[in-house]
Order: sequence, then structure tokens, then C-alpha cells
Amino acid sequence: GEDVEQSLFLSVREGDSSVINCTYTDSSSTYLYWYKQEPGAGLQLLTYIFSNMDMKQDQRLTVLLNKKDKHLSLRIADTQTGDSAIYFCAERRTGANNLFFGTGTRLTVIP
Amino acid sequence: EAEVAQSPRYKITEKSQAVAFWCDPISGHATLYWYRQILGQGPELLVQFQDESVVDDSQLPKDRFSAERLKGVDSTLKIQPAELGDSAMYLCASSFQSGANVLTFGAGSRLTVL
Repeated sequence: GEDVEQSLFLSVREGDSSVINCTYTDSSSTYLYWYKQEPGAGLQLLTYIFSNMDMKQDQRLTVLLNKKDKHLSLRIADTQTGDSAIYFCAERRTGANNLFFGTGTRLTVIP
Repeated sequence: EAEVAQSPRYKITEKSQAVAFWCDPISGHATLYWYRQILGQGPELLVQFQDESVVDDSQLPKDRFSAERLKGVDSTLKIQPAELGDSAMYLCASSFQSGANVLTFGAGSRLTVL
């Protein structure tokens, strides 16, 4: 399909790990991104991964990329209440410089 | 830390009125983007500029929306006349367009059309 797909909601307990999943559309996408959006705010880049990589780790964040299945995931270790937000995955498709975003996953962290 | 500036943060208008949003990208970023984010959805590109030139406006409703970046720096997005369905967050982003071409977003302008 043409849409970048994400599940809408995820709830986790504080201190647990969160895994947010995304299915993108273009198997030739060069870069995949994760952005975070807090209420009423713009989008903040969390991390990105180049398409020739399978995994990228940055402090509490781990990104896994499965190009065969066009599946991207973001794992947040030791999730904190401040991680409550909407998380968007985005792809940079072949021949394009702009980004195509998913619908976003609302992460709720329960104290 | 460099930021993308947008104004106004909030705008309430009545349908059929004109509205305008302003964006000042990060200094040195040649590429500027306007995205629209409807509540509960992801952002969708309206228009993309490279310096002062439009490189993609395929999703811009040109009968009522216009965008300009006259000197290749700041940009204005205008809606005239506004319709109820235009209620959304309008996000501006800029990028240096090298390597990962990371887009840096402003805080957005939230439009409510009554």
C-alpha cells in the first residue's frame, strides 16, 4: 500500500521496555526516521537509520530494520513518564527529499 | 541550538477569511518544507522549496493555498478563503539536504476555522 502504517496506541509501565513498530512502503527507501511529538508541539527527531544497517543503538533507543519485510521498530529501554508522547516513523523514498510519515503511535507510560 | 521559528502559534478564524503563516528556517538550510497535520494523523507535505524555487507542490490545494519564499530564506503560507476542513497544525521544517537530510521542525501553527 501507499501508507506508512503504525499501531495507534501502546501502554507500558514505567521502567519497562517499549517497542513501537512501523511498516513502510518503499523497499528502496534510503533512510528511515523516528520522530517524537509532545502535545501541542512540533516534531523532534529521535534517531534515524541508513537502509544498509540492520540496527542502530543510541543510549536508551534501539532501532531495528528488516528491509525484506519493510519493518522498522523503535525500542525504548527503561521507559519513563517523560517518554509519553506520539511517535512517528518516516521514510525517505527513492528520488524524494521529503519524508513520508506514519499515522503515529501514542505511547502512554503508567507510573 | 538553532531552531525553526514559526508564527503565529495559534490562529482562530472564521471560514472565508484569509490567514497567513510565517516560517524562518535554520540559517543555511536551503530546503524548506510546509506540512499539514490533521488531528490524529501524521504530517503530510504541502510544499517544498529549494532556495526560492518550488520543487514539489503536488499536494498543495492551489485554488486556496499559496506559498512563497521570495529571498530563499523565510517563507509564508497563505490560505484564502479558509474552510472548516483547513483546521489543522501547519508545520514548517528545514534541512541542509546532505547525507541523511534530517528535517528540523518548528513548533507549528495551529489553525482553527469556525
